[in-house]
Amino acid sequence: EPEVTQTPSHQVTQMGQEVILRCVPISNHLYFYWYRQILGQKVEFLVSFYNNEISEKSEIFDDQFSVERPDGSNFTLKIRSTKLEDSAMYFCASSGTGQSYTEAFFGQGTRLTVV
Amino acid sequence: AQSVTQLGSHVSVSEGALVLLRCNYSSSVPPYLFWYVQYPNQGLQLLLKYTSAATLVKGINGFEAEFKKSETSFHLTKPSAHMSDAAEYFCAVRPRGNQGGKLIFGQGTELSVKP
Repeated sequence: EPEVTQTPSHQVTQMGQEVILRCVPISNHLYFYWYRQILGQKVEFLVSFYNNEISEKSEIFDDQFSVERPDGSNFTLKIRSTKLEDSAMYFCASSGTGQSYTEAFFGQGTRLTVV
Repeated sequence: AQSVTQLGSHVSVSEGALVLLRCNYSSSVPPYLFWYVQYPNQGLQLLLKYTSAATLVKGINGFEAEFKKSETSFHLTKPSAHMSDAAEYFCAVRPRGNQGGKLIFGQGTELSVKP
């Protein structure tokens, strides 16, 4: 069964360092998303991406964040200068269509710890 | 703005007992509704979704949910809990007509199953 894969599963980084979280969405999907979940809190939307551009972003997704689809398969989230409060589980998701009844398929997540 | 409320951050049931996890949405127009499950150290897996085809929706692992417009609810139930059902459950919504739009999650309910 097709699945969304994320690497790495865990990442520890020092405050102020840049990190890149990688995702391979399901191959024929068109919509891509990043969500995050701070420990003990709910899953929060960060950004959606369609047709090689950001279609929506939350107020969390400030200038320190960027997304890219560098080739036909990968979808990345970059945090330029990490802060302690960026520590969270980051989930990538993809959706086959933009229909609002279509579910998103989630990856296993990358646990980011900023020290 | 659209929001989702899950009553009870922790629910504990005995094995074999009824599981009831509550979800209410706030919207004048019923959105599309989803239940996701998150097992420890794993990603989000879709349990079921409401897309207006039927108000009673059956999902995987014996779970079902009933959409009640008058109560703006989409509660998740399972007649008989198994130990393997212990996990975090998230209700999520997406407004109708919101092509490619984000999912809005509730705060989650952690289900514990006692032997």
